[in-house]
Amino acid sequence: AQKVTQAQTEISVVEKEDVTLDCVYETRDTTYYLFWYKQPPSGELVFLIRRNSFDEQNEISGRYSWNFQKSTSSFNFTITASQVVDSAVYFCALIPSNTGKLIFGQGTTLQVKP
Amino acid sequence: DAGVIQSPRHEVTEMGQEVTLRCKLISGHNSLFWYRQTMMRGLELLIYFNNNVPIDDSGMPEDRFSAKMPNASFSTLKIQPSEPRDSAVYFCASSPRDRVFFGPGTRLTVL
Repeated sequence: AQKVTQAQTEISVVEKEDVTLDCVYETRDTTYYLFWYKQPPSGELVFLIRRNSFDEQNEISGRYSWNFQKSTSSFNFTITASQVVDSAVYFCALIPSNTGKLIFGQGTTLQVKP
Repeated sequence: DAGVIQSPRHEVTEMGQEVTLRCKLISGHNSLFWYRQTMMRGLELLIYFNNNVPIDDSGMPEDRFSAKMPNASFSTLKIQPSEPRDSAVYFCASSPRDRVFFGPGTRLTVL
């Protein structure tokens, strides 16, 4: 089975708090790609990051960081010092092998309160 | 590049009418996807094409939905006849293989 699970439906934090969004994936492929997308209230899907299955190095981009662990099939996303503008729905997604078929998780709604 | 272009951005129609959604891919991309997003079901893959050929249409809800890719850069998604439960945001996306770029979406309301 090929599946992405985001167990957290909604998260609410106060500005400046750190928050981690969880993502667990399932695939039997040895080559695959993992993604995070942000969907702000305006509705568009904004690409945040892509990771291939052979690169477990964690990545940091400003206040955003991603922790990829193949041993637990997880690809978690942390926002440090959250801001109100981070309020959005965040989707984790998987492309198994080279199919190009993007499989989405259910999404996590993050609300950052001032 | 202008990115993935979708039209119209908003469509309001009455039940029973035909609806056609349009998508222009990013030049050079060989895969195209149609997704539907609703509150109840989240983001669902309806169909995807690779090199103009439909590869997986298992997500197409029923025979009222049809998708075509007449050339390498353009696709249509047609709903005939439309029903209120088809109301959703429809996203088109294109891919060169290992990443996917989304259009802005078409918000469809069927009254």
